[in-house]
Amino acid sequence: KQEVTQIPAALSVPEGENLVLNCSFTDSAIYNLQWFRQDPGKGLTSLLLIQSSQREQTSGRLNASLDKSSGRSTLYIAASQPGDSATYLCAVQNYGGATNKLIFGTGTLLAVQP
Amino acid sequence: DAGVIQSPRHEVTEMGQEVTLRCKPISGHDYLFWYRQTMMRGLELLIYFNNNVPIDDSGMPEDRFSAKMPNASFSTLKIQPSEPRDSAVYFCASSSVGYGYTFGSGTRLTVV
Repeated sequence: KQEVTQIPAALSVPEGENLVLNCSFTDSAIYNLQWFRQDPGKGLTSLLLIQSSQREQTSGRLNASLDKSSGRSTLYIAASQPGDSATYLCAVQNYGGATNKLIFGTGTLLAVQP
Repeated sequence: DAGVIQSPRHEVTEMGQEVTLRCKPISGHDYLFWYRQTMMRGLELLIYFNNNVPIDDSGMPEDRFSAKMPNASFSTLKIQPSEPRDSAVYFCASSSVGYGYTFGSGTRLTVV
């Protein structure tokens, strides 16, 4: 059974710092991995999608990497801003069967202090 | 595309009443998912459809919950009768194979 873990559960940094959020998964046979952002009281916004054949994806100040063999992904945020404050969730989609469902981690609550 | 559209945004109802949540997926997406989010359990997959057919409803908590997808552009999640422990945010999401998920803004349900 696939399990997804995110560390740390919460993180507070001063504005301008570079930071890394971690995601680990127990079954390396994944189809893809997706990072989401959730603002308080809002829905989930997709940030980056990494297919199993890819090693990383970049969008603006965000860079996500994927190492399937070790069951890990990281989300790197450069030059953090107060507007980056949110909960960040990673989710994996497994190979096999007719399933297309995402399995979510527990999230990292990020606070960027001005 | 307007994205995944859910209605209502907020629902407050009394225990025992029937509640119907609605979702319009992104046109062309052939998968539709219903999730529930609470502080205690995080995001839980309730049920998902492929080409309007329910594929996995193992996450539906009990028989009080039912979901339908009568066509490719509409789905409902119904709770009857509702209970206070059903209070949560309910999200709908859609996707296609090889593409990521797109989530709706959610319906915040409060059962009093």
